[in-house]
Amino acid sequence: QKEVEQNSGPLSVPEGAIASLNCTYSDRGSQSFFWYRQYSGKSPELIMSIYSNGDKEDGRFTAQLNKASQYVSLLIRDSQPSDSATYLCAVHLTGNQFYFGTGTSLTVIP
Amino acid sequence: EAGVTQFPSHSVIEKGQTVTLRCDPISGHDNLYWYRRVMGKEIKFLLHFVKESKQDESGMPNNRFLAERTGGTYSTLKVQPAELEDSGVYFCASSQAVNWVAPLHFGNGTRLTVT
Repeated sequence: QKEVEQNSGPLSVPEGAIASLNCTYSDRGSQSFFWYRQYSGKSPELIMSIYSNGDKEDGRFTAQLNKASQYVSLLIRDSQPSDSATYLCAVHLTGNQFYFGTGTSLTVIP
Repeated sequence: EAGVTQFPSHSVIEKGQTVTLRCDPISGHDNLYWYRRVMGKEIKFLLHFVKESKQDESGMPNNRFLAERTGGTYSTLKVQPAELEDSGVYFCASSQAVNWVAPLHFGNGTRLTVT
């Protein structure tokens, strides 16, 4: 079993809709979770971090964490074509290692 | 503030040759990480420096890979001799060393192709 699992997609949503990205992780001891956005040929860029159960909102982005169910999600409201990218879920485990999912490819259709 | 910079952006070498990748982290970031992404797979951890010390190199594939961070500033990752399966994108990332989990800041990566 992989440490971090994501659906690879592709996920397509119309402009203005809500995009929902999901991630599950295997280590119950994980405490820190991150969402990165990666445009083709570019470096992963941090967009959200979340450390405690519940929701965390930042502009159009909301991260949701449920440690009991071992999942973390990212909601993008009012999706824009510029949101089209690959979204990587990263989980920090003990020993200062970060584990990444394979990423979900999102396309926002104008 | 300058971001994490990596050089070269692309490298094409033949099997058996040597390649050295360089990473300059964000100034003041003590943590430096090397990651690799093979096509279609997840970004995988290679190793972690805290300043000039190797904190964790459990992800290094084999002894053909050698990473250094002399002086605790920039880092190099040398592959010698390169094999076909070493092809991929090598990312460097840095973060601040404080008593909490700081997010990683990534460089643009070096795309290595071994032919």
